[in-house]
Amino acid sequence: DVKVTQSSRYLVKRTGEKVFLECVQDMDHENMFWYRQDPGLGLRLIYFSYDVKMKEKGDIPEGYSVSREKKERFSLILESASTNQTSMYLCASAQPGQRTGELFFGEGSRLTVL
Amino acid sequence: GQQLNQSPQSMFIQEGEDVSMNCTSSSIFNTWLWYKQDPGEGPVLLIALYKAGELTSNGRLTAQFGITRKDSFLNISASIPSDVGIYFCAGQTRPPGNTPLVFGKGTRLSVIA
Repeated sequence: DVKVTQSSRYLVKRTGEKVFLECVQDMDHENMFWYRQDPGLGLRLIYFSYDVKMKEKGDIPEGYSVSREKKERFSLILESASTNQTSMYLCASAQPGQRTGELFFGEGSRLTVL
Repeated sequence: GQQLNQSPQSMFIQEGEDVSMNCTSSSIFNTWLWYKQDPGEGPVLLIALYKAGELTSNGRLTAQFGITRKDSFLNISASIPSDVGIYFCAGQTRPPGNTPLVFGKGTRLSVIA
């Protein structure tokens, strides 16, 4: 069964802490994405990557960075967490080409910043 | 960035009723997709549409890619309790290629048994 695995379902961090959210996919997908989900705002794209060591800013990259050292792994980094980054974070992957919109999502990581 | 207008924002329906939701855009999209998110889970793809005018079914679900390329709808027939969740439309602007999806804000569906 194909899978996107996010390392933590629930995290609680303090303001100013550095936070790592890890995502691994086993489908050999080229494309990987990080979204943030907030009530009433839907899914907003933070960063995406179409290849190892490649990254592109999405719609809301401020306060975040990413790392893609291996094809299967895409990490989201909050350098200095703030309370307004409390949210649900969703990782997704997809193949390039015709079906590039057919995303496979992880279960999500719910982050609370105190 | 581009936006999709998804409506309604939420729906409360009786079990057995049919459901309809839609997405509109001021821009043309070349691909429309519908995802469902169960409570506590990540979204899962329901239906993908690749041609204007295309009508596609997946069980009790039917989705259409509008002729103008600026809208899409999703219908659910004879709703059941497990249909509860958030439904997202998504569009992609270019022909097959690597452009990220644009998502609607979601329709939250509640089914009363």
